[in-house]
Amino acid sequence: QVQLVESGGGLVEPGGSLRLSCVASGFTFSDYYMYWIRQAPGKGLEWVSYISSNGGDTNSADSVKGRFTISRDNAKNSLFLQMNSLRAEDTAVYYCARRESSATPGFWGQGTLVTVSS
Amino acid sequence: SALTQPPSASGSPGQSVTISCTGTSSDVGGYNSVSWYQQHPGKAPKLIIYEVNKRPSGVPDRFSGSKSGNTASLTVSGLQAEDEADYYCGSYAGSNNLGVFGGGTKLTVL
Repeated sequence: QVQLVESGGGLVEPGGSLRLSCVASGFTFSDYYMYWIRQAPGKGLEWVSYISSNGGDTNSADSVKGRFTISRDNAKNSLFLQMNSLRAEDTAVYYCARRESSATPGFWGQGTLVTVSS
Repeated sequence: SALTQPPSASGSPGQSVTISCTGTSSDVGGYNSVSWYQQHPGKAPKLIIYEVNKRPSGVPDRFSGSKSGNTASLTVSGLQAEDEADYYCGSYAGSNNLGVFGGGTKLTVL
């Protein structure tokens, strides 16, 4: 069955860095656009980034542009999010998700919590 | 900008409830790419409606979607206790756009 398993979250100080990973199984990873979406504690959903199936097309929300970088390794069925210059407002559960159709995450991982605090 | 949803909705078991999602002609009104997600506490969101009115495999037909102009709607018929959750709408907003989500609606089954 389809599985997306995120890892790499944790507690980091403001200005620090983290790299999130998402390992996919149960489907042909290289066929799908992938997304990162986050949810601050008690808040709604927020788009973070997307990446095309071959990695050639990416985009990120204005709130993270220049600080976060999405990438993928199709040979390892893995999606990544490199997060630099972290701020308190980046504190959230970060979900990786597989595209179902335009701007539609069809299958979500269980999420990984990132906490930015001193 | 985020899509607009009512913060809360409620209904009794067996009743129907409709949740609205209002956007603009640049998102909801401009594309047939409206989606809805159900999220139970502490769980990941689950896609329940995509492309306005399509249901993924395994989603009960008690869940239905529609759209009129810049407003989309999710209707849950025959409410059951397990339908109590947060519901989010989403929409495509054009190429090179990530899309946009609504603020969420907490559905309470009385």
